[in-house]
Amino acid sequence: AQSVSQHNHHVILSEAASLELGCNYSYGGTVNLFWYVQYPGQHLQLLLKYFSGDPLVKGIKGFEAEFIKSKFSFNLRKPSVQWSDTAEYFCAVNAAPGGKLIFGQGTELSVKP
Amino acid sequence: SQTIHQWPATLVQPVGSPLSLECTVEGTSNPNLYWYRQAAGRGLQLLFYSVGIGQISSEVPQNLSASRPQDRQFILSSKKLLLSDSGFYLCAWSPDRDTEAFFGQGTRLTVV
Repeated sequence: AQSVSQHNHHVILSEAASLELGCNYSYGGTVNLFWYVQYPGQHLQLLLKYFSGDPLVKGIKGFEAEFIKSKFSFNLRKPSVQWSDTAEYFCAVNAAPGGKLIFGQGTELSVKP
Repeated sequence: SQTIHQWPATLVQPVGSPLSLECTVEGTSNPNLYWYRQAAGRGLQLLFYSVGIGQISSEVPQNLSASRPQDRQFILSSKKLLLSDSGFYLCAWSPDRDTEAFFGQGTRLTVV
């Protein structure tokens, strides 16, 4: 069965610091990969997604993620975080075709102004 | 454009009472529908998903059930709530099973 693991439960950064959140999944076949964000008091929103092609994908608000198939990883990055990036971030995997959308445990990011 | 409605936003129910949470999607047809439960530090746990009317897959054994009486309606139910059913429940839809899901605002359920 597919599963998703996010290694960092809570990350605290100062503004302008660089961010990398880890995500690993377990599934040997083709996968679709997602990062979602949940800002305080808001619903889950899609940050970026990977289906195929260039393994480096760019999303909204300056976020990007790199799919490394050999490492079963899809880490999220941002070169310079802002206070407004304070939120909870979820990695999700859908085993293509026709799989269920499975989420990781989430990483809470706190950015100090 | 497509929208998803989930209600109520908050709910306080006594132990042993029934539950019915409703989710509807507008602006699309034959969506895939999902119920998740979100718990702090545990991410989103997939409870049920449906690819069509009357087609429900259950992911975890528990005190809850789901039904899809109409194409764009997904209902989460329980006959008798337990304290452990407290949590934040999210409904989501996707155009098909290989695309991203779009989430509702969620229901905060407290069982007392």
